[in-house]
Amino acid sequence: GESVGLHLPTLSVQEGDNSIINCAYSNSASDYFIWYKQESGKGPQFIIDIRSNMDKRQGQRVTVLLNKTVKHLSLQIAATQPGDSAVYFCAETPGGGNKLVFGAGTILRVKS
Amino acid sequence: GAGVSQSPRYKVAKRGQDVALRCDPISGHVSLFWYQQALGQGPEFLTYFQNEAQLDKSGLPSDRFFAERPEGSVSTLKIQRTQQEDSAVYLCASSSPLGQGSGANVLTFGAGSRLTVL
Repeated sequence: GESVGLHLPTLSVQEGDNSIINCAYSNSASDYFIWYKQESGKGPQFIIDIRSNMDKRQGQRVTVLLNKTVKHLSLQIAATQPGDSAVYFCAETPGGGNKLVFGAGTILRVKS
Repeated sequence: GAGVSQSPRYKVAKRGQDVALRCDPISGHVSLFWYQQALGQGPEFLTYFQNEAQLDKSGLPSDRFFAERPEGSVSTLKIQRTQQEDSAVYLCASSSPLGQGSGANVLTFGAGSRLTVL
């Protein structure tokens, strides 16, 4: 079936550096993508989203890039902080419906 | 309430027991979702409600799983005759068309109910 996957299961970065988390999706019909952050023992927390008619969207310290040609999504975190340590999931809505399909996740570890 | 509330946070059941997991969505949120998250994996869709109507239950893994939302607010996920493979975190999420983000699909998740079946 259709799925969303991630290239790197674990990413370790130094505090203050920028982080880039990548995600590949397989459903070309997906028109909406979201990044979630999940800390241990908590539910996923919304970070940023992007529609398929955009290729870039910026938030506070975060930027999401969408490349529809190669079906690739990335999350950039500027000046990574220890509090950014978590598992990051990308998710898509195939066909624009209400159901979110999640990838397996990337663990981000920030070293002080 | 301020967020999505789930109870119990932790549940240990013996194989074969029935369990019920409760979700209190954000007040006024029309849509409610249940997801199952196995250890080290992303959440997997189980079922979706719009108000009291269960519009999609395609993710429920077997007929032992049943979800309801009789008055369009609180929802209960029931698992009958639990098996070890049912061990997971069960996440509830709700959404509103006026939620944060640019789309109507931004889900606000609860902390989850961790089910362990022995």
